[in-house]
Amino acid sequence: DAMVIQNPRYQVTQFGKPVTLSCSQTLNHNVMYWYQQKSSQAPKLLFHYYDKDFNNEADTPDNFQSRRPNTSFCFLDIRSPGLGDAAMYLCATSRDRRGRLEGYTFGSGTRLTVV
Amino acid sequence: AQSVTQLGSHVSVSEGALVLLRCNYSSSVPPYLFWYVQYPNQGLQLLLKYTSAATLVKGINGFEAEFKKSETSFHLTKPSAHMSDAAEYFCAVIWNSGNTPLVFGKGTRLSVIA
Repeated sequence: DAMVIQNPRYQVTQFGKPVTLSCSQTLNHNVMYWYQQKSSQAPKLLFHYYDKDFNNEADTPDNFQSRRPNTSFCFLDIRSPGLGDAAMYLCATSRDRRGRLEGYTFGSGTRLTVV
Repeated sequence: AQSVTQLGSHVSVSEGALVLLRCNYSSSVPPYLFWYVQYPNQGLQLLLKYTSAATLVKGINGFEAEFKKSETSFHLTKPSAHMSDAAEYFCAVIWNSGNTPLVFGKGTRLSVIA
């Protein structure tokens, strides 16, 4: 089945140590998104790629960066994780820029713990 | 300002009872509307979507939702709750103006009591 795959499912990192989360998709969708979801909260969009065009949300901290080397893969880099960055990170895709008609397809998420 | 509101952060129902989860939006033009479900430590799964076709939308797992423009609502229902329905439910919208992405309501946690 076509899907969105996130690795790893659980990631533990040390305070201040750079960490990278990965996402791959077999849907051949043009748009890939990264959401942050803190405990008991709604997912919050960090940024998205429309093809190779990067779009950062205005309130996304500089500590968070992303790379999309090709259509299938997208990475979330946290340069210096703080305790406040502990969260579930969700990758999603949509066929087109708006995703209106089909919605987004989400991966299973990566739960990040900062120690 | 545009907004999406889910009434009730926590809803508890007995097994076999009706499930009703409320979602209202605020915008001059109806948005595209979605309901997602999230099980513990999992990603989000699309339950159903409203994209301006039929106002009564049927989704997976026996859920359905009705779009009511006059009430600016898109409430999620299921006639008979099952224990496996216990999860977090998010109403989400894509506004019709601009290129804004999917935005979520705050979510409603559904508990099902045996």
